[in-house]
Amino acid sequence: KQEVTQIPAALSVPEGENLVLNCSFTDSAIYNLQWFRQDPGKGLTSLLLIQSSQREQTSGRLNASLDKSSGRSTLYIAASQPGDSATYLCAVDQAGTALIFGKGTTLSVSS
Amino acid sequence: DTGVSQNPRHKITKRGQNVTFRCDPISEHNRLYWYRQTLGQGPEFLTYFQNEAQLEKSRLLSDRFSAERPKGSFSTLEIQRTEQGDSAMYLCASSSSGGNTIYFGEGSWLTVV
Repeated sequence: KQEVTQIPAALSVPEGENLVLNCSFTDSAIYNLQWFRQDPGKGLTSLLLIQSSQREQTSGRLNASLDKSSGRSTLYIAASQPGDSATYLCAVDQAGTALIFGKGTTLSVSS
Repeated sequence: DTGVSQNPRHKITKRGQNVTFRCDPISEHNRLYWYRQTLGQGPEFLTYFQNEAQLEKSRLLSDRFSAERPKGSFSTLEIQRTEQGDSAMYLCASSSSGGNTIYFGEGSWLTVV
């Protein structure tokens, strides 16, 4: 059974700092991996999708990497801003159907 | 592009009552998903549709839960005889096909008292 773990559960950083969020999964046979952002009480916003054949994806200040063999992904946020404060969720897709989510990392960026 | 729309956004109901949530996906998307999320947890998969066909259901979807997607457009999720443990946010999402980016709605909060 696929399990997704995100470390740390919470992170507080000062504005301008670069940071890394970690995601690990137990079964490397995945279709793709997606990173989402969730603001309190809101739905999820897709940030980046990495297909199983890819190693990384970039969007603006965000860079996500995927190492399928070791079951790990990282989300790198450059020059963090207070507006980046949210919960970041990692999810793996094993068969092109259901996503399996981690519990998320709650990020707080102080000005 | 209006995104994925969910109604109602909030629902408070008494235990034992039935509730129904509606989801309108992005118009050109043929896949529609339902997830459930409780505080401090990631979303958990409930079910998904390819057009009007319900192709997969999670074991979380007890017989009190039923989902439909008539004509492959909007979808409804009905919970019968609600229990306090059903209190959660119910999220709808859609995608153009399997393996592509999934777009979520704002969710429907259910509180069972």
